[in-house]
Amino acid sequence: EAGVVQSPRYKIIEKKQPVAFWCNPISGHNTLYWYLQNLGQGPELLIRYENEEAVDDSQLPKDRFSAERLKGVDSTLKIQPAELGDSAVYLCASSTGGPTDTQYFGPGTRLTVL
Amino acid sequence: TQLLEQSPQFLSIQEGENLTVYCNSSSVFSSLQWYRQEPGEGPVLLVTVVTGGEVKKLKRLTFQFGDARKDSSLHITAAQPGDTGLYLCAGVKVWTGANNLFFGTGTRLTVIP
Repeated sequence: EAGVVQSPRYKIIEKKQPVAFWCNPISGHNTLYWYLQNLGQGPELLIRYENEEAVDDSQLPKDRFSAERLKGVDSTLKIQPAELGDSAVYLCASSTGGPTDTQYFGPGTRLTVL
Repeated sequence: TQLLEQSPQFLSIQEGENLTVYCNSSSVFSSLQWYRQEPGEGPVLLVTVVTGGEVKKLKRLTFQFGDARKDSSLHITAAQPGDTGLYLCAGVKVWTGANNLFFGTGTRLTVIP
């Protein structure tokens, strides 16, 4: 079974440029998460989707970050405009949902903002 | 701001030595998970502990959940170079019908052959 797929794996951009990350969850997983992980730290949740609905986006900086999961499968996370402090790894995870399930993480996209 | 503090932050030991990693919080969690993360990869779940005081063993790794469900420890016996990685604890709180993970600050372990 294929795992969570993310692309690109690495992205280098200049500040004030836009950037987008893509995630394809494990087949059949209705719940999708985006996390931000700073170097040497644990991941922090940005947004959680149940199918197409964003059920928890309280930690998403909405002035510059946006996300969508239009058909309840793939998802994109966008930053516009990027700032130096956005340099981090952006992780996507998926699960079948429910309080006892397991989240499976993708390899992440490492973003460097110059 | 992360709810869980891990210690030590960095640990470098010789192959064959024992070590313990601590994960502490002032919050109560419904369960606690431990993950290991390799460079360039996402975290991979090692174990979930649910009951206060619970102890789980996974080969040379022993995980314990505190009685009050606020803290946990990971003990590795006879560490091997393959144990090298970033170890993350994650407290679980259930709301809106799903597991919400609150990750710790991480412990980077290096086992020297």
